[in-house]
Amino acid sequence: EDKVVQSPLSLVVHEGDTVTLNCSYEVTNFRSLLWYKQEKKAPTFLFMLTSSGIEKKSGRLSSILDKKELFSILNITATQTGDSAVYLCAPGRDDEAAGNKLTFGGGTRVLVKP
Amino acid sequence: NAGVTQTPKFQVLKTGQSMTLQCAQDMNHNSMYWYRQDPGMGLRLIYYSASEGTTDKGEVPNGYNVSRLNKREFSLRLESAAPSQTSVYFCASSATSGPYNEQFFGPGTRLTVL
Repeated sequence: EDKVVQSPLSLVVHEGDTVTLNCSYEVTNFRSLLWYKQEKKAPTFLFMLTSSGIEKKSGRLSSILDKKELFSILNITATQTGDSAVYLCAPGRDDEAAGNKLTFGGGTRVLVKP
Repeated sequence: NAGVTQTPKFQVLKTGQSMTLQCAQDMNHNSMYWYRQDPGMGLRLIYYSASEGTTDKGEVPNGYNVSRLNKREFSLRLESAAPSQTSVYFCASSATSGPYNEQFFGPGTRLTVL
């Protein structure tokens, strides 16, 4: 059974702080790891990582994958109130017949205060 | 380009009633998914369809049925609703072929079963 654990469950920071979100996983036939941001509605895609040691960056967000130790980190620097959301980690399988299933972690709720 | 659409957005049912949640995508994706999300939890897969003409159970299929009507549409049916099915339901789609399995989500249906 695939397992995904995200930590911390929640955190509160002030604008300008840096946050680090953790995701550990155990997934059969691992293909990639995706990060999503969920505000009040549907999750929106942030990153996809497929290789270890490759850091993806998009503005103030960055993420890295360690396929040996089976974890990923999402960093947000210079946080803004608009970063307040639940961040979901989702490893995906290399299994086309199974429709490329993702297994979602429980998420980390981030609240950025002014 | 609408992406993934879902109807209805909100629904209140009484225990024992039935209903069908509709989902459609216009991205020519092969794979479609139904998730539920309970308060404070991540997304749990109910059913998925790897390609037109196939459906398979996910993590929490009990009490649900699905129909992949055609490549665009994937419906979720509750035959006899129970209070435990109160949740937010998300439909998603992804392209099966290629190295990426990013899923795109619809806006969700908030279902309350009394």
